[in-house]
Amino acid sequence: NAGVTQTPKFRVLKTGQSMTLLCAQDMNHEYMYWYRQDPGMGLRLIHYSVGEGTTAKGEVPDGYNVSRLKKQNFLLGLESAAPSQTSVYFCASEAGELFFGEGSRLTVL
Amino acid sequence: GENVEQHPSTLSVQEGDSAVIKCTYSDSASNYFPWYKQELGKRPQLIIDIRSNVGEKKDQRIAVTLNKTAKHFSLHITETQPEDSAVYFCASQPYPGNKLTFGTGTQLKVEL
Repeated sequence: NAGVTQTPKFRVLKTGQSMTLLCAQDMNHEYMYWYRQDPGMGLRLIHYSVGEGTTAKGEVPDGYNVSRLKKQNFLLGLESAAPSQTSVYFCASEAGELFFGEGSRLTVL
Repeated sequence: GENVEQHPSTLSVQEGDSAVIKCTYSDSASNYFPWYKQELGKRPQLIIDIRSNVGEKKDQRIAVTLNKTAKHFSLHITETQPEDSAVYFCASQPYPGNKLTFGTGTQLKVEL
């Protein structure tokens, strides 16, 4: 039982490049979330999903897209990365409490 | 939408002292208030939570109090130890399944 797994854990991008972060959970949770964490700003919700095939915008959705084609996977995409998207990204699934992945550190140059 | 304010942003205490972190929320419909601890370089993990039908909850050295009238809740850590050094986040949620809103975090440092 791996819990919530994020890949990749580290990535460096150039401005304008695209990439996808993958979140996988093996706990059969319906709810999944993507957060970004920046110094002094806590955890801010980017997008979330309440079940397979559903997605919804969170607090800071601009510049990101998501997909939830399978219940266990929640993908976060950056179509054209910007330096402002340099951050640590956390995926989480929920069953009463949030279970976080280990985080993905993204640097956009 | 919900707004959660957390204070202080940094807190330094001597080992053995108590630490208190306070949060206020705006949505009177919120009824679930968890606290997460994040050690350096690690993922946030739930340490304690409280629901609106309870005024206080304790778990060993950690306690959370809730004042629904004033819309604020607090984390209390007694007999602090070096391993308590971490960032602590409060959060609120209107009902299960609705998204959590987090505070901005408190960096707690326990000095020897």
